[in-house]
Amino acid sequence: ETGVTQSPTHLIKTRGQQVTLRCSSQSGHNTVSWYQQALGQGPQFIFQYYREEENGRGNFPPRFSGLQFPNYSSELNVNALELDDSALYLCASSSRLEREAMGVQYFGPGTRLTVT
Amino acid sequence: AQSVAQPEDQVNVAEGNPLTVKCTYSVSGNPYLFWYVQYPNRGLQFLLKYITGDNLVKGSYGFEAEFNKSQTSFHLKKPSALVSDSALYFCAVRLTGGFKTIFGAGTRLFVKA
Repeated sequence: ETGVTQSPTHLIKTRGQQVTLRCSSQSGHNTVSWYQQALGQGPQFIFQYYREEENGRGNFPPRFSGLQFPNYSSELNVNALELDDSALYLCASSSRLEREAMGVQYFGPGTRLTVT
Repeated sequence: AQSVAQPEDQVNVAEGNPLTVKCTYSVSGNPYLFWYVQYPNRGLQFLLKYITGDNLVKGSYGFEAEFNKSQTSFHLKKPSALVSDSALYFCAVRLTGGFKTIFGAGTRLFVKA
């Protein structure tokens, strides 16, 4: 098991609502990435946070936003939920020091979001 | 466009037999290459990575992967499969100095006793 935790485990929302997902990174990790994993697909990169700032983003609309806090924990916020947002949302933490991490990410168990 | 392909949706192998899960990629430069495994209702777990050096890299649980630059492939292998290896396997690439990791669609490995 990694030291990355996510909450809640499952969530059911109605189309048009807003949702906040939370992630606590592994101790010593200062970088957090969020992924969307739709059923039967690989994880799709949403964005990455480092030192409380977004420093990279995938092909997701602005209604997907995030925060990183001084303790390196993070939130993913999704506004105006759509049916296609139903997926497993994964948080991954890593160390910014390339020599140390070489890009390895440690994933949490995910939050299963269902939009009805 | 950068992409990762895992051509097989599912691989079936008998316990004790060798297994191979295929991965090819299309990115510019010299990417970092990874394999992750996902068990039901769990997040992804890191198995192994290739950064540079020897083309055969060894990872967790007896898995290894072979990097082939000319074929832009990074196939996952294990000499003797276990039933407990049954899971979903993802190949991933990341450009050096970049922030984005691209995952393949995944290959489900089923090991029969």
